[in-house]
Amino acid sequence: DTGVSQNPRHKITKRGQNVTFRCDPISEHNRLYWYRQTLGQGPEFLTYFQNEAQLEKSRLLSDRFSAERPKGSFSTLEIQRTEQGDSAMYLCASRGSNTEAFFGQGTRLTVV
Amino acid sequence: GIQVEQSPPDLILQEGANSTLRCNFSDSVNNLQWFHQNPWGQLINLFYIPSGTKQNGRLSATTVATERYSLLYISSSQTTDSGVYFCAVRINAGNMLTFGGGTRLMVKP
Repeated sequence: DTGVSQNPRHKITKRGQNVTFRCDPISEHNRLYWYRQTLGQGPEFLTYFQNEAQLEKSRLLSDRFSAERPKGSFSTLEIQRTEQGDSAMYLCASRGSNTEAFFGQGTRLTVV
Repeated sequence: GIQVEQSPPDLILQEGANSTLRCNFSDSVNNLQWFHQNPWGQLINLFYIPSGTKQNGRLSATTVATERYSLLYISSSQTTDSGVYFCAVRINAGNMLTFGGGTRLMVKP
């Protein structure tokens, strides 16, 4: 297993377009997280899955954001009608029960 | 929610110097991790240390859970140690990691 994998690594999109990011967690990890990080800040929690169930969502996750984890494996994060304020690094992490979390390389989104 | 504060926010060292980074948190935790964020943005796991002391080469960490702080020690710093160091905690009843604001370290040759 090569760790948590995120695609794409970079995405430039025009304001108003929809974008989708993918995260493939470490295979035996049942917990998956999405975080957002803006320049000069620490990562901020967006949402959490245990297996296929989305159990927690941050207030940061507006109605334009949706995340899925079908079959409890990979996850997708979609942003509809992107705004310039959505420009950030989107990080995915996974962990097993009572273990440490591991992060992917991130997807850097730029909305122009 | 839990508050996580890291100090100092910025640190400049000469190569070979030692340093101590601090992480204070406002509630009981059952998980604490230290990460190094490289220039490409990836968070690299350094320590998983909800309590006690661990060492890995030139790095070591100590968490005193009862007093709600953790320390990361970097000895004989190298230019490759430059980057941002984050502390992140998970509370006993929670699932997510809450991050501090980070310590930005620059090691000069």
